[in-house]
Amino acid sequence: KAGVTQTPRYLIKTRGQQVTLSCSPISGHRSVSWYQQTPGQGLQFLFEYFSETQRNKGNFPGRFSGRQFSNSRSEMNVSTLELGDSALYLCASSLFVTGSGNEQYFGPGTRLTVT
Amino acid sequence: DQQVKQNSPSLSVQEGRISILNCDYTNSMFDYFLWYKKYPAEGPTFLISISSIKDKNEDGRFTVFLNKSAKHLSLHIVPSQPGDSAVYFCAAREMGGFKTIFGAGTRLFVKA
Repeated sequence: KAGVTQTPRYLIKTRGQQVTLSCSPISGHRSVSWYQQTPGQGLQFLFEYFSETQRNKGNFPGRFSGRQFSNSRSEMNVSTLELGDSALYLCASSLFVTGSGNEQYFGPGTRLTVT
Repeated sequence: DQQVKQNSPSLSVQEGRISILNCDYTNSMFDYFLWYKKYPAEGPTFLISISSIKDKNEDGRFTVFLNKSAKHLSLHIVPSQPGDSAVYFCAAREMGGFKTIFGAGTRLFVKA
């Protein structure tokens, strides 16, 4: 079974631009979560989608948005990029909505650099 | 406000010895805890978990201990191997919650 895939793997953008990242979950998984990883901060939860609906959201500004399609693939969009948005963005999939015993499987991440 | 804290950014251990990675949390509503391992250029992979109704869970060389009164958990790796060198993240979930809260990670170096 193929794992979680994320595209692109690396991306360089300039301040003020917008970016769209893509995530394809493991086949059969219906939940997709997005995390931002920066040095010293660990993984910060962005949001989770299940059955095309946002189920939970972290403490990020409205510039960060996402969506999920009927095939469970998800996209994350960041508008008006800032230097501080430079990070590794990780996507994780699970069978159902995140909860006890429902493990998440992570993709390799997209490394975004904002200059 | 970091609800899950890993106070040691890095740890170096000799091959064959025990590695102990520590994690503290502040939210008493957390009832499920996980450890993930992350190699460079890869996403985190699930390692082991423990429910708050237990104080120990073992899986091969990996054992997680939970001390609820101290709001502390630890991951023991015995014996440590060079392939265990990675970043280890501690994570926690609230009862009925939908978010997984991660610590900042501890980089483990296992020297041959």
